[in-house]
Amino acid sequence: DAGVTQSPTHLIKTRGQQVTLRCSPKSGHDTVSWYQQALGQGPQFIFQYYEEEERQRGNFPDRFSGHQFPNYSSELNVNALLLGDSALYLCASSLEWTNNNEQFFGPGTRLTVL
Amino acid sequence: EDKVVQSPLSLVVHEGDTVTLNCSYEVTNFRSLLWYKQEKKAPTFLFMLTSSGIEKKSGRLSSILDKKELFSILNITATQTGDSAVYLCVGRGSTLGRLYFGRGTQLTVWP
Repeated sequence: DAGVTQSPTHLIKTRGQQVTLRCSPKSGHDTVSWYQQALGQGPQFIFQYYEEEERQRGNFPDRFSGHQFPNYSSELNVNALLLGDSALYLCASSLEWTNNNEQFFGPGTRLTVL
Repeated sequence: EDKVVQSPLSLVVHEGDTVTLNCSYEVTNFRSLLWYKQEKKAPTFLFMLTSSGIEKKSGRLSSILDKKELFSILNITATQTGDSAVYLCVGRGSTLGRLYFGRGTQLTVWP
């Protein structure tokens, strides 16, 4: 049973560029949440997707957008990259966002913006 | 504003020591308190606490929640070098599954 997978594992971009990160949820999970973890900080909630819709959003600008596909996989897009966007981006999946279910995390994508 | 505060932020101990990690929270419509262990990248689930005063235990790790004082502790007895990691305390609010993370406690266990 595959857990949560993310790609790529590492990425280097320059300021102003755009990036797309991908996440495949754990088998059977239908909800995907994205988090940004800056060095030395706890993960910060970006947004959550359920049934291909963004259900809730954290305090992140519109440069951060996402998508969920019919197979429940998800993408995180960041436009006009800033140096401060350098972080570990974690994807977490769970079953039915309405319930108090455990979220399983992927290994993350390390984004470096130069 | 919802927040989770952990202390200490960093802790260095020797193998065999017992440690207590602290977590206070202010989460709107609180549902549960979770603890995760993060060694390299992906946080791995340790405990979920929903009721006050009921200790959850897994091997040398245990945790308890105080919903009156909005506080939780994670205890690790007879620490081992493999316990070295960042321990994240997480509050979950309402029914939307959103998680509020603390900054984490960096635990280093020396042999």
